[in-house]
Amino acid sequence: EAGVAQSPRYKIIEKRQSVAFWCNPISGHATLYWYQQILGQGPKLLIQFQNNGVVDDSQLPKDRFSAERLKGVDSTLKIQPAKLEDSAVYLCASSLSSPYNEQFFGPGTRLTVL
Amino acid sequence: AQSVTQLGSHVSVSEGALVLLRCNYSSSVPPYLFWYVQYPNQGLQLLLKYTSAATLVKGINGFEAEFKKSETSFHLTKPSAHMSDAAEYFCAVSLYNFNKFYFGSGTKLNVKP
Repeated sequence: EAGVAQSPRYKIIEKRQSVAFWCNPISGHATLYWYQQILGQGPKLLIQFQNNGVVDDSQLPKDRFSAERLKGVDSTLKIQPAKLEDSAVYLCASSLSSPYNEQFFGPGTRLTVL
Repeated sequence: AQSVTQLGSHVSVSEGALVLLRCNYSSSVPPYLFWYVQYPNQGLQLLLKYTSAATLVKGINGFEAEFKKSETSFHLTKPSAHMSDAAEYFCAVSLYNFNKFYFGSGTKLNVKP
């Protein structure tokens, strides 16, 4: 079974530039999550999708971050414009639709904003 | 409000020694509890999970954890540390009524030869 795929793995941009990350979840997983993991901290949930609808985006900085999940499969997360404090690893995870099902994580995208 | 507290951001043990990583949670409803491990430059991998069945849960790589409701704890243990156990470990809680995870801040385990 293929795992969660993310691309790119690494990205370096200058502040005020735009960047986009892509995630392909495990086939059949209805729930998709984007997390931000700043160095030395645990993952922080940015947005949660159930199929192609948003369940929770309370911690997403909506003035600069956006995410979509078209057709309930792949998802993209965009930052526009980026700030220095956005430097982090962005993790995508997916799960079956149940609170006791574990989340499967992709390898992450390491973003460095200069 | 729900939260997860991991005591000790860094833990160092000798190879062959007991590993004990602490996790306490606060939740107004019965939670599901998870331990994940993260190796350098990799995503998180599930070690074990508690979903209201047996309170002692066995996971991969010889790890286990015990759910203690009275102490609101879910500590991770391994009888004998191996060099390959060096990684960062995250405790997470999920509420039974919706799919939302809260992660602790993580504990980095160092294993000395």
